[in-house]
Amino acid sequence: DVKVTQSSRYLVKRTGEKVFLECVQDMDHENMFWYRQDPGLGLRLIYFSYDVKMKEKGDIPEGYSVSREKKERFSLILESASTNQTSMYLCASRYLAGGSRVEQFFGPGTRLTVL
Amino acid sequence: AQKVTQAQTEISVVEKEDVTLDCVYETRDTTYYLFWYKQPPSGELVFLIRRNSFDEQNEISGRYSWNFQKSTSSFNFTITASQVVDSAVYFCALSGRSTGNQFYFGTGTSLTVIP
Repeated sequence: DVKVTQSSRYLVKRTGEKVFLECVQDMDHENMFWYRQDPGLGLRLIYFSYDVKMKEKGDIPEGYSVSREKKERFSLILESASTNQTSMYLCASRYLAGGSRVEQFFGPGTRLTVL
Repeated sequence: AQKVTQAQTEISVVEKEDVTLDCVYETRDTTYYLFWYKQPPSGELVFLIRRNSFDEQNEISGRYSWNFQKSTSSFNFTITASQVVDSAVYFCALSGRSTGNQFYFGTGTSLTVIP
């Protein structure tokens, strides 16, 4: 079974803090994704990565950065957390081969609260 | 444009009732894929089904069935004889050649099954 894990289920941070959200997958997937989920807005893509050291902006990259130094790990960084970044953050991964037909596998999510 | 619309925000049904979740999509691709995911209260999105644009056969898996109609750009999901364990948020998603590795998610439908 594919396993996508995220470092924390719940996180509380203060405004202005630097926040790291970690995601690890164990299936050698090339693609990895970070989404945020907000009520009424569904899932919105923040960043994705085709492979190691590669990254692409999604629909809402402002205020975020990412790092992919190893294939299994994809980190989301909030350089200076703000209250409007309070949200549920979901990580996903998938194989590159097979193109757009291949499903994404999701982690359990991190619920981040910024005070 | 790539877009997925789930017009039903919240649905409540009594246990054993049938319920249909609607999904309408827009895409400029001739080859594309549609997906349904389930997000239980635990938070992790679970893949349910994938459909490609060339296969309009309806699919049944136990109490779940899916009706794909290209003529109306819809991919609806029916749960027969609903159970409390079906309570979750359900997402419909679209991918295609022009979307690259990205999925486009609907805003989700929250289903509550009342015992």
